[in-house]
Amino acid sequence: EAGVAQSPRYKIIEKRQSVAFWCNPISGHATLYWYQQILGQGPKLLIQFQNNGVVDDSQLPKDRFSAERLKGVDSTLKIQPAKLEDSAVYLCASSFWQKETQYFGPGTRLLVL
Amino acid sequence: SQQGEEDPQALSIQEGENATMNCSYKTSINNLQWYRQNSGRGLVHLILIRSNEREKHSGRLRVTLDTSKKSSSLLITASRAADTASYFCARGETSGSRLTFGEGTQLTVNP
Repeated sequence: EAGVAQSPRYKIIEKRQSVAFWCNPISGHATLYWYQQILGQGPKLLIQFQNNGVVDDSQLPKDRFSAERLKGVDSTLKIQPAKLEDSAVYLCASSFWQKETQYFGPGTRLLVL
Repeated sequence: SQQGEEDPQALSIQEGENATMNCSYKTSINNLQWYRQNSGRGLVHLILIRSNEREKHSGRLRVTLDTSKKSSSLLITASRAADTASYFCARGETSGSRLTFGEGTQLTVNP
């Protein structure tokens, strides 16, 4: 069974530039999550989708972060403009609807200079 | 921390020894999960325990949950060098909801 796919794996940008990350969840998983993991910390949820609807985006900095999940499958997370403090690993995870276990992708490591 | 705490932050042991990691939290939970993260990789689910359970086993893993003390522990028995990783507890407040992760314990198992 294919796992959660993410791209790119690494990205280096300068502050004030924009960047986008892509995630393809496990087939059949209705719920998709984006987490931000700053070095030395645990992951923090940014946004949760149920199919193509947003369930929880309470911790998403909406002035600069946006995410979409068109057609309820793939998802894109965008940062515009990036700040130095956005340097982190961005993890995508998915799960079956109403199931507790989440399956994580390898993450995208972002460095903002 | 609003997310709760894990201790120790770092743990170094010899192969064959047992490793115990603890997790405390502050709000009610539906379930508590433990994940492992190898350096530079994504997280891998290890074990889940629900709020009405007190202990679960999976292979060399044993998890306990004390909801009165709002704490959980993960025991890895007969550790191996391949167990070297960061271990995170994550609590789910409702079924299918977001997970709130702790800060993690970095485990090093020396051969």
